[in-house]
Amino acid sequence: QQQVKQSPQSLIVQKGGISIINCAYENTAFDYFPWYQQFPGKGPALLIAIRPDVSEKKEGRFTISFNKSAKQFSLHIMDSQPGDSATYFCAASTDSNDYKLSFGAGTTVTVRA
Amino acid sequence: DAGVTQSPTHLIKTRGQQVTLRCSPKSGHDTVSWYQQALGQGPQFIFQYYEEEERQRGNFPDRFSGHQFPNYSSELNVNALLLGDSALYLCASSFGFQAFFGQGTRLTVV
Repeated sequence: QQQVKQSPQSLIVQKGGISIINCAYENTAFDYFPWYQQFPGKGPALLIAIRPDVSEKKEGRFTISFNKSAKQFSLHIMDSQPGDSATYFCAASTDSNDYKLSFGAGTTVTVRA
Repeated sequence: DAGVTQSPTHLIKTRGQQVTLRCSPKSGHDTVSWYQQALGQGPQFIFQYYEEEERQRGNFPDRFSGHQFPNYSSELNVNALLLGDSALYLCASSFGFQAFFGQGTRLTVV
């Protein structure tokens, strides 16, 4: 049973465009929502994370939007660059579960120059 | 800071064999978690070690076992390897809620 559902499975965006990846969760105990970026053959790298007490967090070109009532959160990549081409995973965890991460299935982003 | 380091990077094993994977956590991190990532999928939680004890376990059979040493480094052992165990095995270290991953060990079972 997948606790975090992620969409789309893949997307293609032109250089300079906006990439949007969506995730939804069911477990209302989740209180930490990180996004990871993974390049082929490498481990996931922590990109940005949010707690449910804020609705938005921005770091550079990456923004997380969080909707607690809808149990949804999304990653926006602004001004997408070819170097952003990677697989992105949303995840969720809770301190009551020792921050065991539940991952989405991943979204492969391809940025066309 | 060397970050999370895993060894070996790749290995090939035969069905039925046993394998041991190793992980050194990021400096200052006391918790180590192991994940299995099949090709094209998200990482799946195997188990977590804290203070040399298994604290959490995911839905994996007893063939998967682990250990954490006093210096917080950890090992993942898999017995009686199956073809389906072929995957990228990821170690993540954490201190609190933030988890940082190593580059993984690519295990191929033939």
